[in-house]
Amino acid sequence: DTGVSQDPRHKITKRGQNVTFRCDPISEHNRLYWYRQTLGQGPEFLTYFQNEAQLEKSRLLSDRFSAERPKGSFSTLEIQRTEQGDSAMYLCASTPDWSSYEQYFGPGTRLTVT
Amino acid sequence: AQSVTQLGSHVSVSEGALVLLRCNYSSSVPPYLFWYVQYPNQGLQLLLKYTSAATLVKGINDFEAEFKKSETSFHLTKPSAHMSDAAEYFCAVSEPGGGADGLTFGKGTHLIIQP
Repeated sequence: DTGVSQDPRHKITKRGQNVTFRCDPISEHNRLYWYRQTLGQGPEFLTYFQNEAQLEKSRLLSDRFSAERPKGSFSTLEIQRTEQGDSAMYLCASTPDWSSYEQYFGPGTRLTVT
Repeated sequence: AQSVTQLGSHVSVSEGALVLLRCNYSSSVPPYLFWYVQYPNQGLQLLLKYTSAATLVKGINDFEAEFKKSETSFHLTKPSAHMSDAAEYFCAVSEPGGGADGLTFGKGTHLIIQP
């Protein structure tokens, strides 16, 4: 079991550019979560998937954000027209099934928008 | 809506001393509660969890926490601090059964260990 992986680990982009992050959950984990963590704060829930279905989205997820999980395996989080306020650590977590409550986190992708 | 309050953004203790990190929650139903640890530039690692079984929960690295419903608290303790415990600690809450909205985290407490 290799754990949750995220790519890239760091991303620096200019304001207005689009960025895409990838998360690979632990094999056979059905639920996948995305969180955002800004400096000095705890992670904030963005969205989650049950297999390939996106079941919940936070109000933090503006129209510039989109997430997908094709075939219920890896997931991508895209931010369009990035703003400086998007600078944060983006964390991915997964759980085995609907009844599991223990979320396993990846190392995160740190985004810096200049 | 659920919320978590962690008292003290920074806590400093001497090596070998008791560690006490405070967490209070607000929830309309008895929640599940978690403590996570985060080392610099890393993801979160689960220390321990409360899921309506025993109120005193033991976790990894000699950490433990006690769920007190009357006080809506879930404080984290460790009898003897080690230098390797220096990190950011987050208390989190979810609705029983996992919660559709993911975890709600506190703002974190930075634990400093003095030699």
